[in-house]
Order: sequence, then structure tokens, then C-alpha cells
Amino acid sequence: NAGVMQNPRHLVRRRGQEARLRCSPMKGHSHVYWYRQLPEEGLKFMVYLQKENIIDESGMPKERFSAEFPKEGPSILRIQQVVRGDSAAYFCASSPRGESTDTQYFGPGTRLTVL
Amino acid sequence: DAKTTQPTSMDCAEGRAANLPCNHSTISGNEYVYWYRQIHSQGPQYIIHGLKNNETNEMASLIITEDRKSSTLILPHATLRDTAVYYCIVRALGFQKLVFGTGTRLLVSP
Repeated sequence: NAGVMQNPRHLVRRRGQEARLRCSPMKGHSHVYWYRQLPEEGLKFMVYLQKENIIDESGMPKERFSAEFPKEGPSILRIQQVVRGDSAAYFCASSPRGESTDTQYFGPGTRLTVL
Repeated sequence: DAKTTQPTSMDCAEGRAANLPCNHSTISGNEYVYWYRQIHSQGPQYIIHGLKNNETNEMASLIITEDRKSSTLILPHATLRDTAVYYCIVRALGFQKLVFGTGTRLLVSP
């Protein structure tokens, strides 16, 4: 019974490159959430997706960041033209139904370092 | 902004009970109290949640006061592996995202 999987676990990019972070939810879960944790800070919500739909992107930076959760395959968080301030741990969580009483289960995270 | 207040840090001796308080004085009737923890550099781990009644599972117990303005997470026999940051989160019905505060850094010592 695999949990939420994220890859890569560590990602190094140079300024201006693109970063793609992948998240595979738990089996049977069709709702995905992305959170970001900047160094020495708390976790901040970024975006909530169902299959093929973005439900809430209120925490996403307005530029360079995008997310998708296609019908087949993992959810992708994409950061274009990365800057040093994007260095952080990015966590994905999933839940079965997306109801607010659902428990969200988190993956191990992807640590992005921008040189 | 987080709707909870927690002590910044706490210490606990190994084998003793760890009681982590959380104040949520503005909680509404349809809001749940969730607890997660984050062991160094790992993803947050769900511990327990409740609405009104006290709850217990294999990890911990959650005691919610009758007026629901505060709660306590109890780890009955803390081990060194329980050293982590513990987050108390108030989550409303219909509200999907989790709003994390700064949490309590629990240090369990031998």
C-alpha cells in the first residue's frame, strides 16, 4: 500500500532553467495538493487539483508557476525560469474525495536548490 | 493566517507522556482540529483529528475542551523518534487547504 510518491527527491537547477516536480497520489486518491516550505519557514498551501481540474490556486505565485493533474499520470508542478528564491521543499499531499473532512497524506517532498 | 496558538518549543523525557497544548479560541462550530507532525526534513505526518469528542488512535490521544477553544495532543510514552515539530490546525468544513502555523518543536531526550 504505497503512500504518496514524489520525484525527484532532490533537484538542482541553475537560475533560468525549468523545474518539474512530480507527485503520484496514494492509490484510490484523486485529489492532490501542493505545499511549499521555504527554509526555516512553515508550510504554505499552493494549489489544489482534481483530475484534469485546478480547484484552488490561491497560493500559487502569479508568474512562472503552474500545476496540472492529467487524467493519466502524476501531478506536475512546473516552475519556469527558476530564481534563487524558489529554493525550497515542495510537498505534495493527496486525499480520496476532496472533502474537507478528508485527511491529507503527504509525500516525502522534493528539495529544489537553485544555484 | 493560522487560527491556532502553540508554544514554540517543549521538552519531554523519553518514556513520559508528552502533552502538547493548542489554543484555538476563535474556532467555529463546523471546524475540525487536526494534528500533524514533521520530523526533520520529512513530509508532514498525519496524527489525529477531532471535532468535539476526545479521540484516540495508535499514535496519540486528542483532548478537546468542552468549549472547544483549546485542545491537547497526548503522546502517552514519548520516544526519541517523536522529536519533531507538531502542528495544530483548525480546518473548516468545505475548506480544503491546510493552514500551517509555526507549530511546537518537541524535543524528546533520553
